[in-house]
Amino acid sequence: AQKVTQAQTEISVVEKEDVTLDCVYETRDTTYYLFWYKQPPSGELVFLIRRNSFDEQNEISGRYSWNFQKSTSSFNFTITASQVVDSAVYFCALSGRSNDYKLSFGAGTTVTVRA
Amino acid sequence: GAGVSQSPSNKVTEKGKDVELRCDPISGHTALYWYRQSLGQGLEFLIYFQGNSAPDKSGLPSDRFSAERTGGSVSTLTIQRTQQEDSAVYLCASSPSLGGRNEQFFGPGTRLTVL
Repeated sequence: AQKVTQAQTEISVVEKEDVTLDCVYETRDTTYYLFWYKQPPSGELVFLIRRNSFDEQNEISGRYSWNFQKSTSSFNFTITASQVVDSAVYFCALSGRSNDYKLSFGAGTTVTVRA
Repeated sequence: GAGVSQSPSNKVTEKGKDVELRCDPISGHTALYWYRQSLGQGLEFLIYFQGNSAPDKSGLPSDRFSAERTGGSVSTLTIQRTQQEDSAVYLCASSPSLGGRNEQFFGPGTRLTVL
């Protein structure tokens, strides 16, 4: 079975602060894929990043960065210098061969960035 | 190019009526997914298509739910004899092919309200 846990329900920060979103996952697949999606108030899910299980290199893309640690089954996501437009619900998701690559989502973390 | 589109954007129906929800995937995408987002259940997978076939229908909540895809393109999700617990946002996603390396692109969703 696949399971994604986002322990943080809500995070509120002031603009320009950094925000780190936690994600812990469970899977029996040896090859799997991890994703972060953003859902702004408009409702549409927007793809942010993808990471393959066989590539633990952490990267930075603009104000986004992620920390993938296979040893702790974690895939944390950081927004640097947050802006009001970053206010949204962020979902961590997992897919793998054992469930035909359909996405298993965490419960989501609501991020509010105050001006 | 155009993204995933869904219609209608909002649907209000009376309990017991049938509804049809439509999804137009990104042109050329062979994999199509339906998800449901509700307050109590979060984001849950319903069904996916590879081409016109749906290998796994186990995510459909009941036999009142059915889906089809024709011509490897448009998909329709049908809910018969709607119940109040069917009220949710129904999301469609597509990807170039089945497989975790491909991110899924989501449509704006159909908000279904069953009175």
